[in-house]
Amino acid sequence: EPEVTQTPSHQVTQMGQEVILRCVPISNHLYFYWYRQILGQKVEFLVSFYNNEISEKSEIFDDQFSVERPDGSNFTLKIRSTKLEDSAMYFCATELTFTEAFFGQGTRLTVV
Amino acid sequence: DQQVKQNSPSLSVQEGRISILNCDYTNSMFDYFLWYKKYPAEGPTFLISISSIKDKNEDGRFTVFLNKSAKHLSLHIVPSQPGDSAVYFCAASARGGSSNTGKLIFGQGTTLQVKP
Repeated sequence: EPEVTQTPSHQVTQMGQEVILRCVPISNHLYFYWYRQILGQKVEFLVSFYNNEISEKSEIFDDQFSVERPDGSNFTLKIRSTKLEDSAMYFCATELTFTEAFFGQGTRLTVV
Repeated sequence: DQQVKQNSPSLSVQEGRISILNCDYTNSMFDYFLWYKKYPAEGPTFLISISSIKDKNEDGRFTVFLNKSAKHLSLHIVPSQPGDSAVYFCAASARGGSSNTGKLIFGQGTTLQVKP
């Protein structure tokens, strides 16, 4: 069964450092998303990406965040200067059409 | 911003009985609703969805009911099994129109425990 793969599973970084979270979408999917879940809180939308550009972003997705598909397969989320409050589970999700989004297993980001 | 709410943080049912998980929403633009199941340290797994043009969708043991006038949906699991024990998230999306995004707005989740 096709699946969305995220790496790394856990990333520990110092405050102020840059991190890149990676996602390999299901091969024929067209729509890509990043969500995050801070411990004890709900899953929150960050950004959606279609046709090599951002289609929508949330208020959380400020100038410190960026996304790209550098090689047409991987889908990455970059946080330029991490803050303590960026600590969360980050989920990549992809879908072929607007029917069901498939989620990866997540990357736990810990900022110290 | 509580556009999607799951008011019951937890639910405990006996194996073989029905589990009913509830979800309310406020945004009238939502036209597509999904239920996801999540185990610890894993990503959400899609269970079942429903479009706003329907009031019921069934898939095996899972049935979702939508009451648009009340802005309420529910997930029924019959019969419940111990393996169903997980966190269940309701999610909503506004998929009509021309935007190229199927962004999901999630509820807080309900932890279901099915006792053997």
